Amino acid sequence: EAQVTQNPRYLITVTGKKLTVTCSQNMNHEYMSWYRQDPGLGLRQIYYSMNVEVTDKGDVPEGYKVSRKEKRNFPLILESPSPNQTSLYFCASSLSGTGQETQYFGPGTRLLVL
Amino acid sequence: RKEVEQDPGPFNVPEGATVAFNCTYSNSASQSFFWYRQDCRKEPKLLMSVYSSGNEDGRFTAQLNRASQYISLLIRDSKLSDSATYLCVVNSYNAGNMLTFGGGTRLMVKP
Repeated sequence: EAQVTQNPRYLITVTGKKLTVTCSQNMNHEYMSWYRQDPGLGLRQIYYSMNVEVTDKGDVPEGYKVSRKEKRNFPLILESPSPNQTSLYFCASSLSGTGQETQYFGPGTRLLVL
Repeated sequence: RKEVEQDPGPFNVPEGATVAFNCTYSNSASQSFFWYRQDCRKEPKLLMSVYSSGNEDGRFTAQLNRASQYISLLIRDSKLSDSATYLCVVNSYNAGNMLTFGGGTRLMVKP
């Protein structure tokens, strides 16, 4: 089944404790992206990757890191989480990142930073 | 001004009603337009792309007005299962073809 998976789905952590949210897609997509969704602000892009070893900042990259060592995986790293990073996070992928094709989203990761 | 704006709603309509949502965008260079549907606490899923000539998919009709920079979604014969948040999405072909999402319009269809 074609899908985007994220882990963990729910996470409670404390300020400053490094964490990684994994994202994997099995559709051989070149483009992958991370978003956060907050009430009243909608979905905002954090980072995106056009291909392996190619990553770039989105709208709200501060406090986040990403890497794209393999085509299928695009982990999101919070080196020192803070309460303002409490949010719902979605990973997404699309075939080539032209913006004309469908983006497929993972199920989301709910993060609470205390 | 937000790049993509939507009325957050909620729109409360009875089953069988016709309901329309509008979305305005600020970047006149925008090229691709979409409507995504998001159920509560779930991931967004593509509902339909929006083409310049307008397009229809069953009970759903999407239209684009480039001159006024808005897109619309019309839902006819609303079903209970249409209850969801509808996200307007625009691609402006700058900064890596980043998609910009509106805040969403919530629809609640009542029996």
